[in-house]
Amino acid sequence: KQEVTQIPAALSVPEGENLVLNCSFTDSAIYNLQWFRQDPGKGLTSLLLIQSSQREQTSGRLNASLDKSSGRSTLYIAASQPGDSATYLCAVTRGSQGNLIFGKGTKLSVKP
Amino acid sequence: DGGITQSPKYLFRKEGQNVTLSCEQNLNHDAMYWYRQDPGQGLRLIYYSQIVNDFQKGDIAEGYSVSREKKESFPLTVTSAQKNPTAFYLCASSSGQGARETQYFGPGTRLLVL
Repeated sequence: KQEVTQIPAALSVPEGENLVLNCSFTDSAIYNLQWFRQDPGKGLTSLLLIQSSQREQTSGRLNASLDKSSGRSTLYIAASQPGDSATYLCAVTRGSQGNLIFGKGTKLSVKP
Repeated sequence: DGGITQSPKYLFRKEGQNVTLSCEQNLNHDAMYWYRQDPGQGLRLIYYSQIVNDFQKGDIAEGYSVSREKKESFPLTVTSAQKNPTAFYLCASSSGQGARETQYFGPGTRLLVL
């Protein structure tokens, strides 16, 4: 059974710091891995999608890596800003129909 | 302006009552999904549909029902059989390529029990 774990559960950093969020999964047979952002009481916003054949994806200050063999992904946020404060969710795709299995998220707080 | 809409934003259910959550998308996506989110928990899949008039159970389908009569609509009914319905419900959609594509999420509906 696929399980997704995110560490740490919460993180507080000063503005401007570079940071790394971690995601691990137990079964390496995935189609892709996605990182989402969720603001309080809101829906999810897709940040990055890494296909199983890829090693990393970049969007602006965000960089996500994927190591299928070790069952790990990291989300790197450069030069953090208070507006980055949110919960970040990692999800892997199970099966060909796109069903996602989510981790519990990392709640990030960036202090001015 | 393309996207996914969910209504209502808040919904209150009385004991023994069935309630229906609306999900509409104008992205021309074939696949649609319903997830449930509880505090401190990851999202869990309730039902999903790849094409009109077809849908499958997810991990926690008991006490829920869905229909997919139109491509753009995927309503979720929370029945009286669902004994712990209080949660945040999120609808998502993706294009017909299934596992290879990003899922786009609606703003969610928060269901509370009176």
